[in-house]
Amino acid sequence: AQSVTQPDIHITVSEGASLELRCNYSYGATPYLFWYVQSPGQGLQLLLKYFSGDTLVQGIKGFEAEFKRSQSSFNLRKPSVHWSDAAEYFCAVGAREYGNKLVFGAGTILRVKS
Amino acid sequence: NAGVMQNPRHLVRRRGQEARLRCSPMKGHSHVYWYRQLPEEGLKFMVYLQKENIIDESGMPKERFSAEFPKEGPSILRIQQVVRGDSAAYFCASSPPTTQETQYFGPGTRLLVL
Repeated sequence: AQSVTQPDIHITVSEGASLELRCNYSYGATPYLFWYVQSPGQGLQLLLKYFSGDTLVQGIKGFEAEFKRSQSSFNLRKPSVHWSDAAEYFCAVGAREYGNKLVFGAGTILRVKS
Repeated sequence: NAGVMQNPRHLVRRRGQEARLRCSPMKGHSHVYWYRQLPEEGLKFMVYLQKENIIDESGMPKERFSAEFPKEGPSILRIQQVVRGDSAAYFCASSPPTTQETQYFGPGTRLLVL
């Protein structure tokens, strides 16, 4: 069965510090991967996506993610966090073989302290 | 270019009533997906539709839930005889016909069943 694990439920970082949010997946097909961000009471905004090619993907708001097939991971990074980055982050996996429906992780809540 | 629109944003129903949630996809998008987010959880896939067709409803509860995407008008997620356990945020996403893998999400409908 397809599954996505985000091991960290909450993460707190200081403003200006670097950030890494972990995502591991288990999938029976060649996956494509996404990171979405959700502010309280809002919908999901697409940060970045990986389909194929270069395994380091750049997204909006200064975020990047690296696909590591050998580790089944797609970790999200940002070199310097801003207070406005405080939100919940979701990793999601899909595959054409599974009809493009996305499987989401449980999310990681990011808190930024000043 | 307007994004995915959902209405209502908030919906309160008493047990046993019906809930109708609407989703208008982005302009030019012909694929619609519905997801449910229970409190403290990630999003779970419910159903995938194209115009006048249900492609995948493997995530839909077998009873009380139905979805449609008519030739004209928005997609509708209908929940009959709501129960307290239906309280959740319901998100709609759409994708274009050519790059179905990338889904763009609406702001969601928060359903509260009293």
